[in-house]
Amino acid sequence: RKEVEQDPGPFNVPEGATVAFNCTYSNSASQSFFWYRQDCRKEPKLLMSVYSSGNEDGRFTAQLNRASQYISLLIRDSKLSDSATYLCVVNRISGTYKYIFGTGTRLKVLA
Amino acid sequence: DAGITQSPRYKITETGRQVTLMCHQTWSHSYMFWYRQDLGHGLRLIYYSAAADITDKGEVPDGYVVSRSKTENFPLTLESATRSQTSVYFCASSGTSGEQTQYFGPGTRLLVL
Repeated sequence: RKEVEQDPGPFNVPEGATVAFNCTYSNSASQSFFWYRQDCRKEPKLLMSVYSSGNEDGRFTAQLNRASQYISLLIRDSKLSDSATYLCVVNRISGTYKYIFGTGTRLKVLA
Repeated sequence: DAGITQSPRYKITETGRQVTLMCHQTWSHSYMFWYRQDLGHGLRLIYYSAAADITDKGEVPDGYVVSRSKTENFPLTLESATRSQTSVYFCASSGTSGEQTQYFGPGTRLLVL
């Protein structure tokens, strides 16, 4: 089983829709969590960090559930420009450095 | 404000040749990383460095060598390229703590024939 797992999608949603992605992680020692966005053939860029209490940045909401070991990303009022791959990242530093990327969830927002 | 740059952006080489991918950052970040990205595997850490002259293996280090004589540079060398090393290679850097956000370079697309 992979340490970080995501549904690869694609999620095809109409403009204006709300869409949510989940990401599960297997190591309970994981310390910090992030969502990155990657456009086709480009480098990943930080979308937002994920805090224990949940956090919001405009149309984006991230949540962490340590008990069930998953993080989520909610996108409200989807825009065409939100079409991208969303990477879940789990970080822990115990012995060997670990900054583990999920394989990503692909989102297509349709006009 | 150059940030983090990689060169070359595209490279075609032949099996058995040595190839060096360059990474340069202007932020004086302590940590630097090399990843490869392949379909079905996502990003996998090859090597990382916590500071100049300190490097350590990641998840997939075999066939690669790194060095870090200066804080701003972190070259990755494929000593004898193999077809399985065809991939997109991303360099990244982060601040004084390894837990901080990583900033990625634009990537190098490497094809090994």
